[in-house]
Amino acid sequence: QKEVEQNSGPLSVPEGAIASLNCTYSDRGSQSFFWYRQYSGKSPELIMFIYSNGDKEDGRFTAQLNKASQYVSLLIRDSQPSDSATYLCAARLGSSNTGKLIFGQGTTLQVKP
Amino acid sequence: DTGVSQDPRHKITKRGQNVTFRCDPISEHNRLYWYRQTLGQGPEFLTYFQNEAQLEKSRLLSDRFSAERPKGSFSTLEIQRTEQGDSAMYLCASSSPRRLLTGELFFGEGSRLTVL
Repeated sequence: QKEVEQNSGPLSVPEGAIASLNCTYSDRGSQSFFWYRQYSGKSPELIMFIYSNGDKEDGRFTAQLNKASQYVSLLIRDSQPSDSATYLCAARLGSSNTGKLIFGQGTTLQVKP
Repeated sequence: DTGVSQDPRHKITKRGQNVTFRCDPISEHNRLYWYRQTLGQGPEFLTYFQNEAQLEKSRLLSDRFSAERPKGSFSTLEIQRTEQGDSAMYLCASSSPRRLLTGELFFGEGSRLTVL
């Protein structure tokens, strides 16, 4: 079992819809979680981080964390064609805030005009 | 804040040659990470430094790979006797000591290696 798992997609949504991206992790001790966006040929760019159970909102983005289910999600409201990219979920294992991040394989999102 | 800088951005080499990549982290970021990414996959952890100390190295990393951060500022990643399987994007990231709670990583643009 991979430490961080994502469906590779592609996930296709129409412009203006809500895109829902999901991620599961295996280490129950993981404390902090990150969503990165990566455009083709570019490096990952941090969108959000979350470390408490529940929802965290930032503009059109909402991250959700359920530690009991070991599940993290990212909702993108009012999806735009410019949101088309690969979304990487990452977890920092254990309680340290300095260790490595473990990344999932990424979910490709396509927003169609 | 000029961001994480990596050099070269692209490197084409022949199998068996040695290559070296350089990473300059965001100033005052004391932690520096190297990752490798192949097409369709997420970044794979290689190694990580706090200041000049190399704190962790992936068990998947062969002894052909070596990384240094001699003065706790820039870092180099060297690959000796390159193989075609080393072809990938090599990503460097850094994080700030002031972000104690989350320690999020900021990535450079990457160095793309092609081994012929």
